[in-house]
Amino acid sequence: DAGITQSPRHKVTETGTPVTLRCHQTENHRYMYWYRQDPGHGLRLIHYSYGVKDTDKGEVSDGYSVSRSKTEDFLLTLESATSSQTSVYFCAISPRLTVDPGNTIYFGEGSWLTVV
Amino acid sequence: GENVEQHPSTLSVQEGDSAVIKCTYSDSASNYFPWYKQELGKGPQLIIDIRSNVGEKKDQRIAVTLNKTAKHFSLHITETQPEDSAVYFCAASSRIKAAGNKLTFGGGTRVLVKP
Repeated sequence: DAGITQSPRHKVTETGTPVTLRCHQTENHRYMYWYRQDPGHGLRLIHYSYGVKDTDKGEVSDGYSVSRSKTEDFLLTLESATSSQTSVYFCAISPRLTVDPGNTIYFGEGSWLTVV
Repeated sequence: GENVEQHPSTLSVQEGDSAVIKCTYSDSASNYFPWYKQELGKGPQLIIDIRSNVGEKKDQRIAVTLNKTAKHFSLHITETQPEDSAVYFCAASSRIKAAGNKLTFGGGTRVLVKP
C-alpha cells in the first residue's frame, strides 16, 4: 500500500451543503493530487499541490477548492455540493517532480460521494 | 492539452488466452506511460509503466509496447487468469507548468476472463 488514507470513504449529502474530503499520507511525498472518476471518463485531475500552501487547478476544478497546511494532509472541499459532483474521488501522491518507472504516482482507495 | 483514447471499452477473453488493450495519445511531449489495474471498490494500482525512451517492457505475464512516432502504446496480458478480471486504465504523463505531473487517463477497459 502507498500509505494513503482517504476519509470519509463513503458519504451521502444534500445539494447545497459543504463537503470536505481528507487525504492523509505517511510517505512525506511533496506532490499530492485529487482526481475524480466517472464512467467513460477515466480519472480527471481536479486540483494538485506541489508543497505546503502551494496548490493549483487541474482540468475540472470548478466548484472545488483545496488546502494543504501540512505535508501529510490535502483537503478537497465542495463549497456547495451539486448532483454533478456525485463521483468517486481519489487522492494520489508522488515523490518527485518528474515521474519515472519506480518514481511514480500512487492512488488511495477512493471516497464515494453521493449528492442527493 | 493531452488527450488519451483507450480501446476497447470492454474485453471478454477465455482463460489462458491473451488480452490486448490499445491507447493513443495526442501530446508529443508526454514521456511516461503507466498502466493501472482497478478492482471493484479499490483505487487504481500501478501494474507496469514505461518511459518514452524505451520501446517495450515486460513483467512476467504483462508487457507494454510504445510507438512514439505513431503516439500509441499497448498493454498485453498473456495466459490470462480469472484474477486478471478488472478495469484497466492507460495514462500519459506530462508536466504541469513546472510544478508537478499530470496523468491524463484513458476511459478504461473492463476485462472479463471467463473460466
